[in-house]
Amino acid sequence: DQQVKQNSPSLSVQEGRISILNCDYTNSMFDYFLWYKKYPAEGPTFLISISSIKDKNEDGRFTVFLNKSAKHLSLHIVPSQPGDSAVYFCAARGGTGTASKLTFGTGTRLQVTL
Amino acid sequence: DTAVSQTPKYLVTQMGNDKSIKCEQNLGHDTMYWYKQDSKKFLKIMFSYNNKELIINETVPNRFSPKSPDKAHLNLHINSLELGDSAVYFCASSRIPVGGNEQFFGPGTRLTVL
Repeated sequence: DQQVKQNSPSLSVQEGRISILNCDYTNSMFDYFLWYKKYPAEGPTFLISISSIKDKNEDGRFTVFLNKSAKHLSLHIVPSQPGDSAVYFCAARGGTGTASKLTFGTGTRLQVTL
Repeated sequence: DTAVSQTPKYLVTQMGNDKSIKCEQNLGHDTMYWYKQDSKKFLKIMFSYNNKELIINETVPNRFSPKSPDKAHLNLHINSLELGDSAVYFCASSRIPVGGNEQFFGPGTRLTVL
């Protein structure tokens, strides 16, 4: 039962253009959503997050949008840079306090071409 | 100055053996986790510990036994290794409670069971 889905396994974008990575979830009890970036042979690193009470959060070139009614979030990267080439994981937080945990999607591999 | 470190980075072993993976964090976090990333790239939580106490145990076979000697360490011992245990295992830590439950990941341990 996959509660967090990233339906696009890969995405190729030209340098300077916008990258849009999508994520869908099924559990309406998720209260926080995060994006992680992963380079080969490294662990995921936190990128940006959004609370379920907001619909947008921006940090530099990265913006995350949340549509609660559609149970959908997206990560926008503008402008895309070659160093952004990595696997991006969407994650959703469920549970409370010390028992809270993250459920991850399967990732989208972003390739930013010159 | 690594925040979350794991040893070893690679582990190749025979079926039936017992092996351990070590994890240490120097971030002063209260909570540590073990995740498994399988061949389908699912990153799934296995265990979490808060202040050395087991909080989350996600229906993992009891051949897997985590041990937390102190808040900064969470080791994973695996008995009677099976082929299906081959995966990348990530350790992570976070401060609980924290708004975004941002978790900091180690570089991963690639376990191959032959």
